[in-house]
Amino acid sequence: GAVVSQHPSWVICKSGTSVKIECRSLDFQATTMFWYRQFPKQSLMLMATSNEGSKATYEQGVEKDKFLINHASLTLSTLTVTSAHPEDSSFYICSARDMPGGYEQFFGPGTRLTVL
Amino acid sequence: GQNIDQPTEMTATEGAIVQINCTYQTSGFNGLFWYQQHAGEAPTFLSYNVLDGLEEKGRFSSFLSRSKGYSYLLLKELQMKDSASYLCAVVDSNYQLIWGAGTKLIIKP
Repeated sequence: GAVVSQHPSWVICKSGTSVKIECRSLDFQATTMFWYRQFPKQSLMLMATSNEGSKATYEQGVEKDKFLINHASLTLSTLTVTSAHPEDSSFYICSARDMPGGYEQFFGPGTRLTVL
Repeated sequence: GQNIDQPTEMTATEGAIVQINCTYQTSGFNGLFWYQQHAGEAPTFLSYNVLDGLEEKGRFSSFLSRSKGYSYLLLKELQMKDSASYLCAVVDSNYQLIWGAGTKLIIKP
Protein backbone atom coordinates (compact mmCIF):
# COMPACT_ATOMS: atom_id res chain seq x y z
CA GLY A 1 0.00 0.00 0.00
CA ALA A 2 0.83 3.73 0.12
CA VAL A 3 1.92 4.13 -3.48
CA VAL A 4 2.53 7.55 -4.99
CA SER A 5 2.94 8.09 -8.70
CA GLN A 6 4.29 11.03 -10.66
CA HIS A 7 3.85 11.94 -14.26
CA PRO A 8 5.80 12.53 -16.36
CA SER A 9 8.95 10.79 -15.15
CA TRP A 10 11.05 13.08 -17.30
CA VAL A 11 10.41 16.08 -19.51
CA ILE A 12 12.49 18.28 -21.78
CA CYS A 13 11.11 21.67 -22.70
CA LYS A 14 12.15 24.94 -24.26
CA SER A 15 12.91 27.99 -22.20
CA GLY A 16 9.81 30.10 -21.61
CA THR A 17 7.31 27.26 -21.74
CA SER A 18 5.28 25.90 -18.82
CA VAL A 19 5.43 22.35 -17.54
CA LYS A 20 2.87 20.56 -15.39
CA ILE A 21 3.82 17.66 -13.12
CA GLU A 22 1.16 15.43 -11.57
CA CYS A 23 1.41 13.63 -8.26
CA ARG A 24 -1.15 10.98 -7.38
CA SER A 25 -1.71 8.84 -4.33
CA LEU A 26 -2.92 5.56 -5.78
CA ASP A 27 -4.27 3.63 -2.83
CA PHE A 28 -4.83 6.16 -0.08
CA GLN A 29 -6.19 9.63 0.50
CA ALA A 30 -3.47 12.22 0.89
CA THR A 31 -4.62 15.20 2.91
CA THR A 32 -1.16 16.70 2.64
CA MET A 33 1.28 16.56 -0.24
CA PHE A 34 4.76 17.97 -0.40
CA TRP A 35 6.83 19.15 -3.33
CA TYR A 36 10.61 18.91 -3.23
CA ARG A 37 13.37 19.90 -5.59
CA GLN A 38 16.75 18.25 -5.66
CA PHE A 39 19.77 19.49 -7.57
CA PRO A 40 22.57 17.05 -8.44
CA LYS A 41 24.54 15.86 -5.42
CA GLN A 42 22.43 17.96 -3.08
CA SER A 43 19.80 17.07 -0.51
CA LEU A 44 16.07 17.44 -0.83
CA MET A 45 14.77 20.98 -0.66
CA LEU A 46 11.16 21.41 0.38
CA MET A 47 9.42 23.82 -1.97
CA ALA A 48 5.88 23.81 -0.65
CA THR A 49 3.32 21.99 1.43
CA SER A 50 -0.07 21.43 -0.11
CA ASN A 51 -3.27 20.65 1.78
CA GLU A 52 -6.31 19.47 -0.10
CA GLY A 53 -8.72 22.28 -0.83
CA SER A 54 -6.52 25.10 0.42
CA LYS A 55 -3.66 27.22 -0.85
CA ALA A 56 -0.19 25.78 -0.70
CA THR A 57 2.33 27.01 1.83
CA TYR A 58 5.58 27.92 0.13
CA GLU A 59 9.02 27.82 1.69
CA GLN A 60 11.06 30.96 1.87
CA GLY A 61 12.68 31.80 -1.43
CA VAL A 62 10.26 29.79 -3.55
CA GLU A 63 8.26 31.95 -5.95
CA LYS A 64 4.59 31.06 -5.69
CA ASP A 65 3.79 32.69 -9.01
CA LYS A 66 6.41 30.62 -10.76
CA PHE A 67 5.66 27.30 -9.13
CA LEU A 68 1.89 26.92 -9.14
CA ILE A 69 0.54 24.18 -6.92
CA ASN A 70 -2.99 22.84 -7.03
CA HIS A 71 -4.31 20.17 -4.66
CA ALA A 72 -7.89 19.86 -5.81
CA SER A 73 -8.59 16.35 -4.59
CA LEU A 74 -7.39 13.93 -1.95
CA THR A 75 -5.47 11.94 -4.53
CA LEU A 76 -4.02 14.53 -6.88
CA SER A 77 -1.70 17.49 -6.61
CA THR A 78 -0.09 19.29 -9.52
CA LEU A 79 2.99 21.47 -9.78
CA THR A 80 3.22 23.81 -12.77
CA VAL A 81 6.58 25.39 -13.51
CA THR A 82 5.65 28.54 -15.41
CA SER A 83 7.96 30.20 -17.91
CA ALA A 84 10.65 27.65 -17.23
CA HIS A 85 14.31 28.59 -17.56
CA PRO A 86 17.46 26.45 -17.63
CA GLU A 87 18.08 27.12 -13.94
CA ASP A 88 14.77 25.38 -13.19
CA SER A 89 16.23 22.13 -14.49
CA SER A 90 16.14 19.78 -11.54
CA PHE A 91 14.68 16.60 -10.08
CA TYR A 92 11.20 17.34 -8.70
CA ILE A 93 9.80 14.87 -6.17
CA CYS A 94 6.40 14.82 -4.53
CA SER A 95 5.44 13.01 -1.36
CA ALA A 96 2.18 12.43 0.45
CA ARG A 97 0.98 11.72 3.95
CA ASP A 98 -1.80 9.20 4.19
CA MET A 99 -3.77 10.65 7.09
CA PRO A 100 -3.92 13.77 9.24
CA GLY A 101 -1.23 13.58 11.86
CA GLY A 102 0.54 10.72 10.15
CA TYR A 103 4.21 11.51 9.92
CA GLU A 104 5.59 9.23 7.27
CA GLN A 105 5.84 10.67 3.80
CA PHE A 106 5.51 8.35 0.83
CA PHE A 107 7.49 9.52 -2.13
CA GLY A 108 6.70 9.51 -5.80
CA PRO A 109 9.41 8.35 -8.22
CA GLY A 110 10.32 11.91 -9.19
CA THR A 111 10.27 13.94 -12.39
CA ARG A 112 13.47 15.03 -14.07
CA LEU A 113 12.96 18.39 -15.77
CA THR A 114 15.44 19.68 -18.32
CA VAL A 115 14.91 23.15 -19.71
CA LEU A 116 16.84 23.93 -22.85
CA GLY B 1 17.30 27.37 14.30
CA GLN B 2 16.75 23.80 13.38
CA ASN B 3 19.73 21.70 12.46
CA ILE B 4 20.43 18.14 11.48
CA ASP B 5 23.99 16.92 11.04
CA GLN B 6 25.21 13.79 9.34
CA PRO B 7 28.51 12.97 7.67
CA THR B 8 28.71 13.93 4.03
CA GLU B 9 30.28 10.72 2.82
CA MET B 10 31.38 7.35 4.16
CA THR B 11 33.17 4.41 2.58
CA ALA B 12 32.88 0.79 3.66
CA THR B 13 33.76 -2.65 2.38
CA GLU B 14 31.33 -5.24 1.07
CA GLY B 15 30.35 -7.64 3.85
CA ALA B 16 31.33 -5.23 6.62
CA ILE B 17 29.26 -3.15 9.05
CA VAL B 18 28.82 0.62 8.90
CA GLN B 19 27.17 3.09 11.27
CA ILE B 20 25.82 6.39 9.99
CA ASN B 21 25.28 8.97 12.70
CA CYS B 22 22.75 11.78 12.84
CA THR B 23 22.53 14.53 15.45
CA TYR B 24 19.69 16.98 15.59
CA GLN B 25 18.52 20.18 17.20
CA THR B 26 14.90 20.90 16.39
CA SER B 27 11.93 22.75 17.80
CA GLY B 28 10.11 19.79 19.23
CA PHE B 29 10.47 16.15 18.35
CA ASN B 30 7.86 13.75 17.02
CA GLY B 31 10.10 11.06 15.67
CA LEU B 32 13.02 10.48 13.36
CA PHE B 33 13.08 8.85 9.96
CA TRP B 34 15.83 7.23 7.94
CA TYR B 35 15.40 7.10 4.18
CA GLN B 36 17.56 5.53 1.50
CA GLN B 37 17.99 7.29 -1.83
CA HIS B 38 19.75 5.82 -4.84
CA ALA B 39 21.10 8.24 -7.41
CA GLY B 40 18.37 9.56 -9.67
CA GLU B 41 15.61 7.98 -7.63
CA ALA B 42 13.21 9.14 -4.93
CA PRO B 43 13.83 8.32 -1.26
CA THR B 44 12.48 5.09 0.17
CA PHE B 45 11.53 4.54 3.80
CA LEU B 46 13.89 2.57 6.01
CA SER B 47 12.87 3.22 9.61
CA TYR B 48 11.01 5.42 12.07
CA ASN B 49 12.03 5.87 15.72
CA VAL B 50 10.09 7.85 18.28
CA LEU B 51 11.13 6.04 21.48
CA ASP B 52 14.66 5.55 22.75
CA GLY B 53 16.37 2.36 21.83
CA LEU B 54 17.28 0.12 18.96
CA GLU B 55 14.89 -1.02 16.23
CA GLU B 56 16.13 -3.92 14.15
CA LYS B 57 14.85 -4.75 10.71
CA GLY B 58 16.84 -7.36 8.87
CA ARG B 59 20.30 -6.07 7.98
CA PHE B 60 19.35 -2.54 8.98
CA SER B 61 18.95 -1.22 12.53
CA SER B 62 18.19 2.27 13.79
CA PHE B 63 18.93 3.68 17.22
CA LEU B 64 17.57 6.77 18.95
CA SER B 65 18.54 8.71 22.06
CA ARG B 66 16.18 11.63 22.52
CA SER B 67 18.10 13.06 25.48
CA LYS B 68 21.24 13.27 23.36
CA GLY B 69 19.52 14.35 20.16
CA TYR B 70 21.23 11.46 18.43
CA SER B 71 20.41 8.61 16.11
CA TYR B 72 22.34 6.14 14.06
CA LEU B 73 21.59 3.77 11.22
CA LEU B 74 23.51 0.51 11.33
CA LEU B 75 23.94 -1.51 8.16
CA LYS B 76 25.27 -5.06 8.46
CA GLU B 77 26.58 -7.50 5.86
CA LEU B 78 26.99 -4.69 3.39
CA GLN B 79 26.12 -5.36 -0.22
CA MET B 80 27.07 -3.37 -3.28
CA LYS B 81 23.43 -2.39 -3.73
CA ASP B 82 23.61 -0.55 -0.39
CA SER B 83 25.63 2.17 -2.12
CA ALA B 84 23.26 5.12 -1.82
CA SER B 85 22.60 8.27 0.11
CA TYR B 86 21.03 7.88 3.55
CA LEU B 87 18.83 10.71 4.73
CA CYS B 88 18.00 11.47 8.35
CA ALA B 89 14.80 13.48 8.92
CA VAL B 90 13.17 14.69 12.13
CA VAL B 91 9.49 15.47 12.65
CA ASP B 92 9.33 18.78 14.48
CA SER B 93 6.64 20.27 16.71
CA ASN B 94 4.69 21.42 13.64
CA TYR B 95 4.75 17.86 12.29
CA GLN B 96 7.01 18.93 9.44
CA LEU B 97 9.95 16.85 8.29
CA ILE B 98 13.31 18.55 8.76
CA TRP B 99 15.85 16.92 6.46
CA GLY B 100 19.54 16.33 6.91
CA ALA B 101 21.80 16.80 3.90
CA GLY B 102 22.27 13.05 3.56
CA THR B 103 25.25 10.73 3.84
CA LYS B 104 26.61 9.23 0.66
CA LEU B 105 27.69 5.67 1.37
CA ILE B 106 30.22 4.11 -0.99
CA ILE B 107 30.66 0.35 -0.84
CA LYS B 108 33.90 -1.11 -2.16
CA PRO B 109 34.43 -4.76 -3.10
